[in-house]
Amino acid sequence: GAVVSQHPSRVICKSGTSVKIECRSLDFQATTMFWYRQFPKQSLMLMATSNEGSKATYEQGVEKDKFLINHASLTLSTLTVTSAHPEDSSFYICSAAPGQVEAFFGQGTRLTVV
Amino acid sequence: GQNIDQPTEMTATEGAIVQINCTYQTSGFNGLFWYQQHAGEAPTFLSYNVLDGLEEKGRFSSFLSRSDSYGYLLLQELQMKDSASYLCAAVDSNYQLIWGAGTKLIIKP
Repeated sequence: GAVVSQHPSRVICKSGTSVKIECRSLDFQATTMFWYRQFPKQSLMLMATSNEGSKATYEQGVEKDKFLINHASLTLSTLTVTSAHPEDSSFYICSAAPGQVEAFFGQGTRLTVV
Repeated sequence: GQNIDQPTEMTATEGAIVQINCTYQTSGFNGLFWYQQHAGEAPTFLSYNVLDGLEEKGRFSSFLSRSDSYGYLLLQELQMKDSASYLCAAVDSNYQLIWGAGTKLIIKP
C-alpha cells in the first residue's frame, strides 16, 4: 500500500517555542493532505486540509495563525505549531491520498509542551 | 449534521468472534472505512466498503448496507493483539472522512 512518512514521531518543546512536523508521501503524489489532532481516548479531529500550491482550509475553531500549514510540493506538507503551549500537547497525525478516497496515515507525532 | 455512531467499548474473549457496528448520517456517501488504532499509534487501514455486502480479509470482514446507513466490522478468532480501538469513518459527498469516536475492544484470555 501507499506509504506516508511523518517526522518527528516524538517531540518535547518548551512553552513559547515553535515545532515543525513534516508529512511526506513516499510513493505517490498527493495534491491534498490532511492534518488531524487526537487527544487521549478521543477520535481523530480534522484540523485542516492542506492543498498543494494554495492556502490550507482550516476547520472551525482551529487557529490558522497558530497552526501554520505549508504544502510546497506534491509530496510534502508541513505543520508548524507556533508559540506552543501545554494545551497544544497532543498526538498530531497527517494523512494523504493517492486517489480521491483512500487515505493513508503517517506514523503520528506525539507533541509534549513543557 | 453529519454523525457516526459506534459503541464506545466492547469486551470479548480470546478465540471468540466480535461484531462492531457503525451507523452513519452524512451528506452524500462514498464509502465506509475501518481503521485499527493501538494506543499511542497512528490508525492503520483495515477495510473500505463502497458497495453493499460482505468483504472478507482473513480474520477480519467488513459489511455495508447503504440502504440502512449501516456497516460492521467482524473480527474472528480473536487474539490478544486485537485489543485496540476500531475507528469507523464515512466518506461524504465532498470525499471528506467523517470519523466515529472509535470502539475500544478489550480482549480477555
